[in-house]
Amino acid sequence: GQNIDQPTEMTATEGAIVQINCTYQTSGFNGLFWYQQHAGEAPTFLSYNVLDGLEEKGRFSSFLSRSKGYSYLLLKELQMKDSASYLCAVRRNAGNMLTFGGGTRLMVKP
Amino acid sequence: DSGVTQTPKHLITATGQRVTLRCSPRSGDLSVYWYQQSLDQGLQFLIQYYNGEERAKGNILERFSAQQFPDLHSELNLSSLELGDSALYFCASSLGGVSNQPQHFGDGTRLSIL
Repeated sequence: GQNIDQPTEMTATEGAIVQINCTYQTSGFNGLFWYQQHAGEAPTFLSYNVLDGLEEKGRFSSFLSRSKGYSYLLLKELQMKDSASYLCAVRRNAGNMLTFGGGTRLMVKP
Repeated sequence: DSGVTQTPKHLITATGQRVTLRCSPRSGDLSVYWYQQSLDQGLQFLIQYYNGEERAKGNILERFSAQQFPDLHSELNLSSLELGDSALYFCASSLGGVSNQPQHFGDGTRLSIL
């Protein structure tokens, strides 16, 4: 089976930096995705890591360590619109099926 | 706009009834995935189809079934509905069944069982 853990909630200040962690235990790891989901809306794709290291995309970066079963999403220069849930999802083996963590609800305060 | 279209946006029905949710994938995408999201749970994978064939099955109840048609749209059928089936049902699509492409989600169908 799989186990994916993320903090349930985080709070940060507008303009600051926040790091959202995700740890996973799975066999046949084949990639990790981060999605953003505003309440009641569709998840939207943010980033993908399959090799160790950092992937940077504008204000958002994602890091992966396969040996530690660990990833984080880094959000810089936080804006109020970044208030949302952030979902970590793991893909196993050769298929494209994703298993999602429970999500981290981020609240950005002025 | 992800390019994935789901209908209807909202559905209200009673226990014991049957409903059909519809999904049109992004142009060019061959894979369709169905997810259920309840208030107290994360996204739960239900089932995946690739080019008309079932590819993977997750936590899908026997009361639920799905299919993908030759034009690649997909339908999720939910029968003998129970109060606990109230949830957001998302459809996602991706280019291929084994590619590295991300899944793109539709806006979901909110199902309320009264």
